[in-house]
Amino acid sequence: GAVVSQHPSWVICKSGTSVKIECRSLDFQATTMFWYRQFPKQSLMLMATSNEGSKATYEQGVEKDKFLINHASLTLSTLTVTSAHPEDSSFYICSADQGGYEQYFGPGTRLTVT
Amino acid sequence: RKEVEQDPGPFNVPEGATVAFNCTYSNSASQSFFWYRQDCRKEPKLLMSVYSSGNEDGRFTAQLNRASQYISLLIRDSKLSDSATYLCVVNLWSSASKIIFGSGTRLSIRP
Repeated sequence: GAVVSQHPSWVICKSGTSVKIECRSLDFQATTMFWYRQFPKQSLMLMATSNEGSKATYEQGVEKDKFLINHASLTLSTLTVTSAHPEDSSFYICSADQGGYEQYFGPGTRLTVT
Repeated sequence: RKEVEQDPGPFNVPEGATVAFNCTYSNSASQSFFWYRQDCRKEPKLLMSVYSSGNEDGRFTAQLNRASQYISLLIRDSKLSDSATYLCVVNLWSSASKIIFGSGTRLSIRP
């Protein structure tokens, strides 16, 4: 149990376009979903925390107008990278919890902006 | 000071060796602690939770020292398949969950 999926698993887009990444909890309802970004050889950095039906809470330094998060249901959160640039190329991972301590991670989405 | 600090390594040890990782955290309000394992280009996977009483799972032993704000992971009889990055994770649980990741310690097991 506690499976989280992400789609797409990898995406290549041109600079200036927008990309949407989906995160779904497949067999549980996620109280909270989290979005992380990981650059090569670096640790995961929390970007934002989202709760169903409310606005996401962004970490310091993360532009909320650039990284749009929508948490429409207890099983789906989306991250849209707007007007993507090459420096946005990264590994984006979502996670979800059921109100407890453990985080369940999605497999990640590798974004390459050309 | 980082909220969660780990020695980045890399640790390069022979198969069968015992290896220990350490992690310190700065926020004394931290509620729960974990070790995650991350393979290259994959998502982190929970290895084990860490309790003050210490816990063991096969070749892996985790320990928490709240007074020193210190977490450890010991791997005995290391296998080639143990090669990965090990992430120390702290949950600053209050009204909601907030996970802080350490930068990870890279482990490479050689034959």
